[in-house]
Amino acid sequence: DQQVKQNSPSLSVQEGRISILNCDYTNSMFDYFLWYKKYPAEGPTFLISISSIKDKNEDGRFTVFLNKSAKHLSLHIVPSQPGDSAVYFCAASAGETGANSKLTFGKGITLSVRP
Amino acid sequence: KAGVTQTPRYLIKTRGQQVTLSCSPISGHRSVSWYQQTPGQGLQFLFEYFSETQRNKGNFPGRFSGRQFSNSRSEMNVSTLELGDSALYLCASSLVVPPQQYFGPGTRLTVT
Repeated sequence: DQQVKQNSPSLSVQEGRISILNCDYTNSMFDYFLWYKKYPAEGPTFLISISSIKDKNEDGRFTVFLNKSAKHLSLHIVPSQPGDSAVYFCAASAGETGANSKLTFGKGITLSVRP
Repeated sequence: KAGVTQTPRYLIKTRGQQVTLSCSPISGHRSVSWYQQTPGQGLQFLFEYFSETQRNKGNFPGRFSGRQFSNSRSEMNVSTLELGDSALYLCASSLVVPPQQYFGPGTRLTVT
């Protein structure tokens, strides 16, 4: 049973436009969410996170929105740049205590930003 | 500050053999987690160690084991390798409490 779902395997956008990457989850115990970016032959790089007490978190060109009632979050990248082309993973955690220290990842979405 | 390092980067083993992978976390980070990445399953959590104790474990068979040393360095071991164990094994460290984790480049294991 996949608890974190990234239903679109790929997304292609024009440079300068907005990229919207979506993620859905089923486990209502998740209360912390993260986005990671991964280039080939490298480990995932942390991008941005959001706690369930918030509905929006912004960091430069990256904004994450959380809709708890819909169990849905999205990552907005504005403006998109060719260097943003990578695989993006959504991840979730149930609690910030050590007893719930594992991250559950979606399968990723490949973003391609066209020049 | 140096990032998470993993050794070796690439490894080829034969079915039935065992393998040990190593991870050095970011200095000061006490939590180390291990993940397996495969094309079909994505990133799956193996286990997490904190202060030399396994604190959380994923749904993997007992052939997968790990340990953490007093300097926070960690190793994972896979015994009796199967073809399906071919994957990218990622190590991640965090300061005290996850979930914000910092990943190493991974060890690419190929089982033939």
